[in-house]
Amino acid sequence: DSGVTQTPKHLITATGQRVTLRCSPRSGDLSVYWYQQSLDQGLQFLIQYYNGEERAKGNILERFSAQQFPDLHSELNLSSLELGDSALYFCASSVGVLTDTQYFGPGTRLTVL
Amino acid sequence: GENVEQHPSTLSVQEGDSAVIKCTYSDSASNYFPWYKQELGKRPQLIIDIRSNVGEKKDQRIAVTLNKTAKHFSLHITETQPEDSAVYFCAASGRGLTGGGNKLTFGTGTQLKVEL
Repeated sequence: DSGVTQTPKHLITATGQRVTLRCSPRSGDLSVYWYQQSLDQGLQFLIQYYNGEERAKGNILERFSAQQFPDLHSELNLSSLELGDSALYFCASSVGVLTDTQYFGPGTRLTVL
Repeated sequence: GENVEQHPSTLSVQEGDSAVIKCTYSDSASNYFPWYKQELGKRPQLIIDIRSNVGEKKDQRIAVTLNKTAKHFSLHITETQPEDSAVYFCAASGRGLTGGGNKLTFGTGTQLKVEL
């Protein structure tokens, strides 16, 4: 157990819908990262927040957004869902903002029908 | 941006043999190189990492080597066991598109199978 928690474990929804994925980092970690893992794209970095502020961005779609709250938990919002958004979404956390070890949560499996 | 290539995509070894997985990276500014093990449907688990000021690091049966000049790093697993069977990912840490952060760029993974 890495200490990073994610909810829900599984999510099944329809195209065009909006969902919210939640992540709580390890105690003491200030950075939260979101990654998408699909069969054809592998593990792709989406976005990083550090102590409430966006610090790094990958090729995150405009339909996706994230935020980190004062209690340091983070939410990833996915809207106007398409079939291709079906994937495992992982959250990771680390102590600092730069090259610190990242510990991954158990992931949320999103299925878009 | 950073690009990480990983080889081989699949690797089958006999129990007790050694396994080697190789990765190359493109961004000379990358300075942190972790390796993750992922079992089917589970989270990636960090097994070892190395920073650019170190050439080699070892932890029991696992070792990682880094060649900054050639921009490649390798994972070595000795005395492999059936429980080592999983997908292994290398990664390199560089700046995200907006800079100032810690973006991990992953290789495409190596499916390791340890046969009895």
